Amino acid sequence: SAVISQKPSRDICQRGTSLTIQCQVDSQVTMMFWYRQQPGQSLTLIATANQGSEATYESGFVIDKFPISRPNLTFSTLTVSNMSPEDSSIYLCSVPDIAGRAYNEQFFGPGTRLTVL
Amino acid sequence: KQEVTQIPAALSVPEGENLVLNCSFTDSAIYNLQWFRQDPGKGLTSLLLIQSSQREQTSGRLNASLDKSSGRSTLYIAASQPGDSATYLCAVSPNSGYALNFGKGTSLLVTP
Repeated sequence: SAVISQKPSRDICQRGTSLTIQCQVDSQVTMMFWYRQQPGQSLTLIATANQGSEATYESGFVIDKFPISRPNLTFSTLTVSNMSPEDSSIYLCSVPDIAGRAYNEQFFGPGTRLTVL
Repeated sequence: KQEVTQIPAALSVPEGENLVLNCSFTDSAIYNLQWFRQDPGKGLTSLLLIQSSQREQTSGRLNASLDKSSGRSTLYIAASQPGDSATYLCAVSPNSGYALNFGKGTSLLVTP
């Protein structure tokens, strides 16, 4: 399985500011996913980040609000821009199984817990 | 659009009981189904993955079954322990390399 780390693990931010979340994987992966989990809710996909191309955003999420970088095959960042209290969530990155099997088992980072005041 | 439903939303059982968590999905054209555990404020830990061609998978005290045609999966936990207390999430993938569609989870409390 992949080992995934995220920074920061948690943060408390002021309204109107931006936060960049980092996701580091211990192996090279083509595809990375960013999810949001609002309080008491399940996970919702924000975007798919492929190395070498623009991220693909899901309905309801836009690049200006959630810009994503994918500079190489082991790293990605998600920025939450111009934050409001509604952005308070856990943000998680995930990658599919990288062992070469086509099972698509997905592994998740520990998450970044964001609180916006 | 795929919708994943988990029942019950919350469950409290005394230690030692066997229990079943249910997951249903509306589109049976799935690639695989994955069960996760999430502790409060934490990330997700993968428990079991069932490919669309499989009927069940087992890991220790956990057994997950899949009935793809009826759009159902169950997670069976044997001899529950207080350490099993967590939220259990079910998720399906439409194809290899695609993101997951998640249910809202079942919050489990196992009391000593």
